[in-house]
Amino acid sequence: AQKVTQAQTEISVVEKEDVTLDCVYETRDTTYYLFWYKQPPSGELVFLIRRNSFDEQNEISGRYSWNFQKSTSSFNFTITASQVVDSAVYFCAAKGTYKYIFGTGTRLKVLA
Amino acid sequence: NAGVTQTPKFQVLKTGQSMTLQCAQDMNHEYMSWYRQDPGMGLRLIHYSVGAGITDQGEVPNGYNVSRSTTEDFPLRLLSAAPSQTSVYFCASSYSGTGANTGELFFGEGSRLTVL
Repeated sequence: AQKVTQAQTEISVVEKEDVTLDCVYETRDTTYYLFWYKQPPSGELVFLIRRNSFDEQNEISGRYSWNFQKSTSSFNFTITASQVVDSAVYFCAAKGTYKYIFGTGTRLKVLA
Repeated sequence: NAGVTQTPKFQVLKTGQSMTLQCAQDMNHEYMSWYRQDPGMGLRLIHYSVGAGITDQGEVPNGYNVSRSTTEDFPLRLLSAAPSQTSVYFCASSYSGTGANTGELFFGEGSRLTVL
């Protein structure tokens, strides 16, 4: 069975600060996939990134970066120079053979 | 392309009533699933399907039925609604449920259900 833990329920930062959202996953599958989604106040779910278990390279996309470490079962997400528009709930998810399992989400508030 | 379409977007039911949440996708995705979102609980998987004629239970299947007669449609049925089923429901699909072709989930806009 898979499990995804996002221990940070809510984070508040001031605009331009860097912020890291933590994600810890558990799975018995040797091949698995990890995802991050963003849910802005409007409610839709926006896909941000996918990572598979055999690719531990970190990734940077603009102000976003992801740190995947199999040794600690973590897939953390960092926003550099946060902006008010980054305010949202962020979900981490894991998929083994069939099921996509989500964490409980981290609400990020970026204050102007 | 419309992507994933859910109807209705809002629904109020009385306890014991039945209803069906419709979900359709036009991307020829094999994999479809239903989630419910409750405050502080994240997205919890109700049922999923890896192809037409194949369905299986997720994390919170009780009180819900699904069927998958076509690739495009994956309706979620509440046979006897209870207040505990008040939630926002999301349908999602992906290119493939297994293997190296695993893709990200594409979500519908959500359906807000209130059971009185």
